[in-house]
Amino acid sequence: DAGVIQSPRHEVTEMGQEVTLRCKPISGHDYLFWYRQTMMRGLELLIYFNNNVPIDDSGMPEDRFSAKMPNASFSTLKIQPSEPRDSAVYFCASTRGRELSYNEQFFGPGTRLTVL
Amino acid sequence: GDSVTQMEGPVTLSEEAFLTINCTYTATGYPSLFWYVQYPGEGLQLLLKATKADDKGSNKGFEATYRKETTSFHLEKGSVQVSDSAVYFCALSDDNYGGSQGNLIFGKGTKLSVKP
Repeated sequence: DAGVIQSPRHEVTEMGQEVTLRCKPISGHDYLFWYRQTMMRGLELLIYFNNNVPIDDSGMPEDRFSAKMPNASFSTLKIQPSEPRDSAVYFCASTRGRELSYNEQFFGPGTRLTVL
Repeated sequence: GDSVTQMEGPVTLSEEAFLTINCTYTATGYPSLFWYVQYPGEGLQLLLKATKADDKGSNKGFEATYRKETTSFHLEKGSVQVSDSAVYFCALSDDNYGGSQGNLIFGKGTKLSVKP
């Protein structure tokens, strides 16, 4: 059974460029989460979706960040324009069920983004 | 708001030593508590969880007990192995009444290195 799939695994880009990170959740999961991990701030929730609808985007750092989920099997996180301080590992996670407090979130392997 | 505080790392132990990683939390409701583990180059995976006071979560020789009176969820293992080397994250779910939220709030993580 395939887990959460993220692409690319590594991305190196220059400041000002657009970056698109991709995620395929586990089939049948109706919640999808985007996290950012840095040494300074640890693991932060950016946004999460339920049934493809964004529920809480209060963690999105600024307007340069946007996320979409056009269907149940695909989500993107876009940064435009990118800045060096966006360098981090970005994780996607998914889970199933309304009672999230009891349900395990399954994480993808992450995308390591470096903005020069 | 809700928060999680876990002991600073890194922690370095010899094989077969006893492990304790401290975790305390602040929450207004009745959260569920989790330990996630991140092996090098991978995403986070659930290690164990506890959903109510006095519950003990256990997996792979690791244990943690949900202590409401001390707002703690310390991770323990009696005899660590080299393969346990990883980063360990304590987390809680920020439940709203009715259980429809359940976003995870993570601690900063504790890196464990086990030497042969």
